[in-house]
Amino acid sequence: AQKVTQAQTEISVVEKEDVTLDCVYETRDTTYYLFWYKQPPSGELVFLIRRNSFDEQNEISGRYSWNFQKSTSSFNFTITASQVVDSAVYFCALIDFGNEKLTFGTGTRLTIIP
Amino acid sequence: DSGVTQTPKHLITATGQRVTLRCSPRSGDLSVYWYQQSLDQGLQFLIQYYNGEERAKGNILERFSAQQFPDLHSELNLSSLELGDSALYFCASSVVAGEIRSTDTQYFGPGTRLTVL
Repeated sequence: AQKVTQAQTEISVVEKEDVTLDCVYETRDTTYYLFWYKQPPSGELVFLIRRNSFDEQNEISGRYSWNFQKSTSSFNFTITASQVVDSAVYFCALIDFGNEKLTFGTGTRLTIIP
Repeated sequence: DSGVTQTPKHLITATGQRVTLRCSPRSGDLSVYWYQQSLDQGLQFLIQYYNGEERAKGNILERFSAQQFPDLHSELNLSSLELGDSALYFCASSVVAGEIRSTDTQYFGPGTRLTVL
């Protein structure tokens, strides 16, 4: 069975600090896909990134970076120089190949203090 | 803006009633998914339709049903509503080209917030 664990329920940091959101996943499949979504206070779910299990290259997009490590089944998300607009709930999610439903973690509520 | 639209944005109703939530997928997407977000259950997959046919089912109650129409929009019907059905209901869509199961990225609509009083 698939499982995604986001152990950090809430994180608060002061603006401009770096912050890392942890995600640990469980799956029996060798082919799978990992995602991060952002849910700002307005409520919508915004897609941030998708990673497949064969690509362990870290990815950087502006202030955002993702560290995928198969050895520890982790897919962590770092925000550099955080801004107030980064305040949101962030969800990590998993899909096994051939199984089209997303399994979400419980989310991490990130608050950036001005 | 993901390109997925959902109506209505908010819905307030009473226990025992029936409501219909509507979703229009992104242009070109054939697959529609419904998810429920509640405080106690988190984000949970309900059901998926692909090109008009049911493709996968999750933890969807028997009181809930869905369909996808020829124009690819989808409706989620919730009946005999209970207080515990209060939640944010999301629709998502993805391309899913062809019969082969795919893991295309799902893009979410803004959600419908249902409040059952």
